[in-house]
Amino acid sequence: SYELTQPPSVSVSPGQTVTITCSADKLGDKHACWYQQKPGQSPVLIIYQDSKRPSGIPERFSGSNSGKTATLTISGTQTIDEADYYCQGWDRNTVVFGGGTKLTVL
Amino acid sequence: EVQLVESGGGPVKPGGSLRLSCEASGFMFSTYSMNWVRQAPGKGLEWVSSISSSSTFTDYADSVRGRFSISRDNAKNSLYLHLNSLRVEDTAVYYCAREIYYYSGYLDSWGQGTLVTVSS
Repeated sequence: SYELTQPPSVSVSPGQTVTITCSADKLGDKHACWYQQKPGQSPVLIIYQDSKRPSGIPERFSGSNSGKTATLTISGTQTIDEADYYCQGWDRNTVVFGGGTKLTVL
Repeated sequence: EVQLVESGGGPVKPGGSLRLSCEASGFMFSTYSMNWVRQAPGKGLEWVSSISSSSTFTDYADSVRGRFSISRDNAKNSLYLHLNSLRVEDTAVYYCAREIYYYSGYLDSWGQGTLVTVSS
């Protein structure tokens, strides 16, 4: 079955750059996207089609896809970026989520 | 502004049924595929079901196939999820989400969610 693997947790100091990875055996011929979810809130799309940002998403969020690994990068991380991050792929015309990564900013 | 508002959640006993609704506004609902995604307490996101714009195609996660049924009424700008034979493990917040497709799909707008609690 198609699975997307993310690290369960990542930590970063304010102002630093952090990367969150999303790995699969075969991610490359489909786009990846990323969602941010803060406690008690609905997920918010922050990256789509591997590297595009929806309107209103800060430039410090960026994405890439190397074929087997999609990567979310947050540059100049702020305390407000502390949240859960989920990658999402696409398999047999359905949505597939990674397990999620808890980002701690300390 | 795109708005998705879910309703219909609540407590239900194992084996029971429930119908969730999602009312859409701010966009041409009839032209978009729609999805249901759930999140069990303290857990990650799990895709549940999807339906194409004209209801031609539907799909389900293995965990709910045969028990849940997705439908929509484009005249009412509404999406539904019929939950039958509910299990304790179906306890979750259920979100409806709009799908955008370009070579692959992503969910660009989400509702606030409705909580389903299955317990005896």
